[in-house]
Parts: sequence; C-alpha cells; structure tokens
Amino acid sequence: DVKVTQSSRYLVKRTGEKVFLECVQDMDHENMFWYRQDPGLGLRLIYFSYDVKMKEKGDIPEGYSVSREKKERFSLILESASTNQTSMYLCAHGGRAAKNEQFFGPGTRLTVL
Amino acid sequence: AQRVTQPEKLLSVFKGAPVELKCNYSYSGSPELFWYVQYSRQRLQLLLRHISRESIKGFTADLNKGETSFHLKKPFAQEEDSAMYYCALVYGGATNKLIFGTGTLLAVQP
Repeated sequence: DVKVTQSSRYLVKRTGEKVFLECVQDMDHENMFWYRQDPGLGLRLIYFSYDVKMKEKGDIPEGYSVSREKKERFSLILESASTNQTSMYLCAHGGRAAKNEQFFGPGTRLTVL
Repeated sequence: AQRVTQPEKLLSVFKGAPVELKCNYSYSGSPELFWYVQYSRQRLQLLLRHISRESIKGFTADLNKGETSFHLKKPFAQEEDSAMYYCALVYGGATNKLIFGTGTLLAVQP
C-alpha cells in the first residue's frame, strides 16, 4: 500500500512566521512535488525535486523554498508566511517505475492569519 | 506552452444519467493524459490513464488527437461518483511532471 505522509492535516500560523511542511514517501521514488490546491485554480506546482539536493522551480515558487536532504523526505518552507499563502498544500511523488503516475499525500490545510 | 482546460467548474446530473466531463489540452509533443479523482475528505488518486485504455468504475476516456480532447465518460452515473475530477497532462520528460486542469466538481443527485 502506498504511503505518503504529510506532517500536519491542519495548520494555523500568523503572518510573518516561518512555516515548515514535511512530506515522507516510502516507495523510493526519485521525483517529489509540492502543489497548492485552490478552488477554481486546480493544482499548481510550487517546486519539485528529481533527486536528493536537486530541485527546480515550478509555476508559482515565489515565497516558497524547499529542501530535500534524503530521498524519502521533501520539505516545503514558507520563509515569512502571508495571508495569500492560505491554501491546501499537497505533496506527491513518482518516478520511472510509476510510469508517470504521481501519488498524493492527504494534504495540509494551512491558514495564515 | 502546455495547457489543460476543463471548461466546467460544476456538473450536476441525476443518478442513472450519462456523464461527460470535458478536458481539452494543448501540447506540442505526443500527449500522455490522466484523470485524477478526489472524493470528499480523501486524497487525490489516479482514476485512469489513456495509455491503458481501460474502464475504471465504469468510466472511460478516449484520447482524440484531432480535437485535442480527453473527455471522461460514464453511461450511468451513481451517487458515489460525486467528487472532484482533474484532467492532467504529462510533460517534462523523465521528471514526470503533470499539469492539471482546474477541475470539475461532479454532483450526482439522487
């Protein structure tokens, strides 16, 4: 059974706080992704990583950074949270063995006050 | 540039009625497309991929390259089909990146 875990289901933070969202996968996939999901906008790619310590910007990287120190773990960092970063954040992973399928975590609903 | 368009935000049908969720894409290469589904309070999961040419939970989707479409169809909707549906296009080669449409919420009324 595929296991993708995200560190929190719900998170409430204040404007200006530093926020860490963590994702862990157990399928040894090389690619990992962070999306935000907003009504009417679908899923938008923030950052992805194709190997340990390797990362690339997605479509909306502004205000975010990422870290991948171990293959199974991919962290999303909001250096200084703002109210427009209130959203559902989804982590996903995939790789050659997955034939382009991505496996998603349960999501973290972040509210920035 | 690659793009996926789902023109309907909401599709409401009665139980037993046919369903068609529309998806159009724009891509210069050979497209590979998926439908993902998210049921209430569940994680996003793959429903079907065009390469497999399979039927899952009664749903089918045919890739039409001439019309650049990949519509999702089911002849008789069930209440348990109510969910958010996303069409997605593969791009980026080995990095298996996906670009998603904005999603269609399917509501099946009893």
